[in-house]
Amino acid sequence: EIVMTQSPATLSVSPGERATLSCRASQSVSSNLAWYQQKPGQAPRLLIYGASTRATGIPARFSGSGSGTEFTLTISSLQSEDFAVYYCQQYNNWRFTFGPGTKVDIK
Amino acid sequence: QVTLKESGPVLVKPTETLTLTCTVSGFSLSNARMGVSWIRQPPGKALEWLAHIFSNDEKSYSTSLKSRLTISKDTSKSQVVLTMTNMDPVDTATYYCARYSFGVVNTFDYWGQGTLVTVSS
Repeated sequence: EIVMTQSPATLSVSPGERATLSCRASQSVSSNLAWYQQKPGQAPRLLIYGASTRATGIPARFSGSGSGTEFTLTISSLQSEDFAVYYCQQYNNWRFTFGPGTKVDIK
Repeated sequence: QVTLKESGPVLVKPTETLTLTCTVSGFSLSNARMGVSWIRQPPGKALEWLAHIFSNDEKSYSTSLKSRLTISKDTSKSQVVLTMTNMDPVDTATYYCARYSFGVVNTFDYWGQGTLVTVSS
């Protein structure tokens, strides 16, 4: 099973600042990596797929990069609605796995 | 538009079998570009993928839970059913179904709202 890790567990950021979240896979997943945003009481929302492609309707301030085992989600200028938990997920094989999440909260 | 909606019991007793239904609309379960997974999330914890079913009825299961899970679908009813046997309090979680879209997105692009299942005597 491919194990996903994320860092940091919590990221405290001021509105307008840049946030950089990391995700690592225990073995190569090529570019088969997605990022989701989840707010309290809501289902996850797809942000990024294919490691770097924004899903429909996702603002340009969200960007993804990486391949293989190391991935990054960057939020260029945090807005109030961006404070949430972010999960990475690999879909390189048919046993999908999620990371433990990074909580982005207000500094 | 695409929607998924989970339904099932809110409370089950330890050792019982849980049966959850995901009713989808806006796409067909026979569409070769679509599949449906079940994913759960214990309160305050991370997401955990459980099982997936393809349009051709092939299935994939979480390695750690495979012995307890069965996923099936009824295309005519637009429903995907998950059963989980021998429920335990640690299985208390919000259970989501999600659509997997092949070809472009190649991951979970639509999710249901989730249903909270509590395991307690």
